[in-house]
Order: sequence, then structure tokens, then C-alpha cells
Amino acid sequence: DAGITQSPRHKVTETGTPVTLRCHQTENHRYMYWYRQDPGHGLRLIHYSYGVKDTDKGEVSDGYSVSRSKTEDFLLTLESATSSQTSVYFCAISESTSGQASYEQYFGPGTRLTVT
Amino acid sequence: RKEVEQDPGPFNVPEGATVAFNCTYSNSASQSFFWYRQDCRKEPKLLMSVYSSGNEDGRFTAQLNRASQYISLLIRDSKLSDSATYLCVVRLGSSASKIIFGSGTRLSIRP
Repeated sequence: DAGITQSPRHKVTETGTPVTLRCHQTENHRYMYWYRQDPGHGLRLIHYSYGVKDTDKGEVSDGYSVSRSKTEDFLLTLESATSSQTSVYFCAISESTSGQASYEQYFGPGTRLTVT
Repeated sequence: RKEVEQDPGPFNVPEGATVAFNCTYSNSASQSFFWYRQDCRKEPKLLMSVYSSGNEDGRFTAQLNRASQYISLLIRDSKLSDSATYLCVVRLGSSASKIIFGSGTRLSIRP
């Protein structure tokens, strides 16, 4: 299994509070992603990173920010949590070949976030 | 219309049966195709890539039909351990971000 961990694994927080989720990899992969998964939807991309300090928005980025100061860590911050952000959050990584992202993604175990 | 559509199921089949899922995609610029497996409350894991000529991995066979824009997954001699949700994934071009996940098809194998 790819070396990807997420923390915390579970969190309950109140509306309006900031929350930061961490993804840590030991694979030295270039690309890292944050997804959310909700019933009836496929995984939806929030933000992704293509290198240290290089990030870009995904499909559902509103209300989220990210940072990547080291290759191994990708942080997702909910600036002011809302109930609509209750979800399961997955981090994923992929390698780069010839400057392009590899086709295969490897996922972390997920963080279950509840906003009350 | 969703970019990637799957029958949500559940498919409930007896052990040893053959089961097939289809997945349709709407963007003709789609270039890469995959099946992922996701167990309950776990992360998705790559099951297999889908190649233009079709490919097989043990009991699993994947097919791609570009003309009709669908991919399929066939599972032969199903095992109890095959019970999971199967996600169809489509990548547009070579972009790192243009990866679209289907909502998944739930499969339950009964003894």
C-alpha cells in the first residue's frame, strides 16, 4: 500500500470554526489531491497540487483553501465550516512521468468530518 | 447529464455467478479509463486500467467502446470478497485535475 496518512481520521466541529485536515505521504509523489465524497456523488475534486507551493482549484473549491510547503504534506483548510461541508475527505497522490501526472491515483484512508 | 454515469445497483448475485457493469461517459475527449474498488467506509483502490483493446486480470475483464462511449467490467466466478462498490473513472486528456469519478455501482455477493 502507498504510504499515505490522513489526520485526523474523525472530527466533529461546530459551524463557523476553522478546520485543517492533513495529508502526509512518504512516496515523494509530485501530485496531491483533496476530494470529498458524498452519497449520490462521485468523488469531487476540491484542490490539487502539482508541486511545493503549486496548487490549483478543483470543481468544488469554494470555502476551502490548501497549502503545500513540503512535498510530503498537503493541508486542507475549511475557513469557516458549514453543515454542507459534512463529508468524507480523501487525499490522493500520483506520480509524474515526463512532466505529466501519472494515470494512477492512490488514496489515503479518509477523514470523516461532521459539522454541527 | 452527469459526465460519468453508472447504475448505482445494488447488484445482488450468488457466489460463483458472472456479473457485468457498464459505465457511460459524455466527453469524447476522454482518454484514460479505470475501474476502482471501494469497500464500505474505506478508500478507493485501483482495480484495473481499461485499454482500448480490452484487458483481463484474472477473473476481471474490462472493455472500452469509444464509439458508444462506455466501458464495462465483467467479473467471473464471483467471490464473497468481491462485494464492494465499483467506481468508474475517466480522465480527460493529460490534465492532472480532469479526473471524473462515477458515483459507483454497489455489488453484493451472497453465499
